[in-house]
Amino acid sequence: NAGVTQTPKFQVLKTGQSMTLQCAQDMNHNSMYWYRQDPGMGLRLIYYSASEGTTDKGEVPNGYNVSRLNKREFSLRLESAAPSQTSVYFCASSEEAYFRPQHFGDGTRLSIL
Amino acid sequence: GDSVTQMEGPVTLSEEAFLTINCTYTATGYPSLFWYVQYPGEGLQLLLKATKADDKGSNKGFEATYRKETTSFHLEKGSVQVSDSAVYFCALTFQGAQKLVFGQGTRLTINP
Repeated sequence: NAGVTQTPKFQVLKTGQSMTLQCAQDMNHNSMYWYRQDPGMGLRLIYYSASEGTTDKGEVPNGYNVSRLNKREFSLRLESAAPSQTSVYFCASSEEAYFRPQHFGDGTRLSIL
Repeated sequence: GDSVTQMEGPVTLSEEAFLTINCTYTATGYPSLFWYVQYPGEGLQLLLKATKADDKGSNKGFEATYRKETTSFHLEKGSVQVSDSAVYFCALTFQGAQKLVFGQGTRLTINP
């Protein structure tokens, strides 16, 4: 039971480098999400995709882009990494109904030097 | 806007103690409420949920009751174990909202 799979698990970048975080789910969920988790701030939504072919900004989208490649995959791209983007990134997916729980991956720990 | 406020941590208890983690929310309507748990090095997992007022969610000995009059969803457990050590997040969402609003999380440590 893979659920939500994120790659890589850890990454160190230099300021200005670019990178794509990958996420795939095998639960046939329509909705997918990217969050960042910072100490004392809970989880903040970066972007989400309600269904294949659609993406929308969340609370903190600046500096990020996303691609919903197909129903299974939702990637997050940092075009020019900044130290403020050092964080733990989580991908999640859910069925469409609002009261359905979100299923989370194990996270990507990203450090920008 | 909609928001969730949790009691500040960290919370440290002895094994078999009673646990309460407070959660209150501010929302314009009647949200669905969730508790998620995050064990070290892992993503969040749903612990329990309640979708309407007076509903009680329960799982693994944890309980929380949706109190509309006090806009609260406090998490309780009668006798905690070392394995309950984790970070707990309260969250809400609305029909059509397509996204969760999280509290800041409460770190719980249980000592043997």
